[in-house]
Amino acid sequence: DAGVTQSPTHLIKTRGQQVTLRCSPKSGHDTVSWYQQALGQGPQFIFQYYEEEERQRGNFPDRFSGHQFPNYSSELNVNALLLGDSALYLCASSSTGQGHYEQYFGPGTRLTVT
Amino acid sequence: QQQVKQSPQSLIVQKGGISIINCAYENTAFDYFPWYQQFPGKGPALLIAIRPDVSEKKEGRFTISFNKSAKQFSLHIMDSQPGDSATYFCAARGYQAGTALIFGKGTTLSVSS
Repeated sequence: DAGVTQSPTHLIKTRGQQVTLRCSPKSGHDTVSWYQQALGQGPQFIFQYYEEEERQRGNFPDRFSGHQFPNYSSELNVNALLLGDSALYLCASSSTGQGHYEQYFGPGTRLTVT
Repeated sequence: QQQVKQSPQSLIVQKGGISIINCAYENTAFDYFPWYQQFPGKGPALLIAIRPDVSEKKEGRFTISFNKSAKQFSLHIMDSQPGDSATYFCAARGYQAGTALIFGKGTTLSVSS
């Protein structure tokens, strides 16, 4: 049973550029949440997608956007990259049938903005 | 503001000892409290979780103690091993489906052999 997968593993971008990160949820899960983890900090919630719609959003600017596909996989897009966007971006999946209590994280994408 | 406060920031324990990490929360609407373990370069892994209708939950060497009146919960790692050396995060979330996890800032545990 495949767990949560994310791609790419690492990414280096320049300020002002745009980036797209990808996530495939754990088998049987229908909801994807995205988190940003700065170095030495706990993950911070960006947004959550269910039924191809953004259901909840954290305190992140509109430069952060997402999408969920019919197969439940998801993308995180960040426009106009800033140096402060450098972080580990984590995707977590959960199941509506299980009340979304257990969220399972992928290995993350390490984004470096130079 | 919803917050989860975690302490200590770092912890050094001898092999075979007990590691204790504490968390406190403010929002009484929280009703699910998981602990995650994260190794360098990896994503957080769900370790153990508790709902507020019980005061303690044990899974192997890991135990969560929960004090609803004090709005505090803690992770106890019995017989700590060098392989337990990692960063541990407590978290909390509300009862509505889809509510985000609110994480503490993490505790870096080092178990010396």
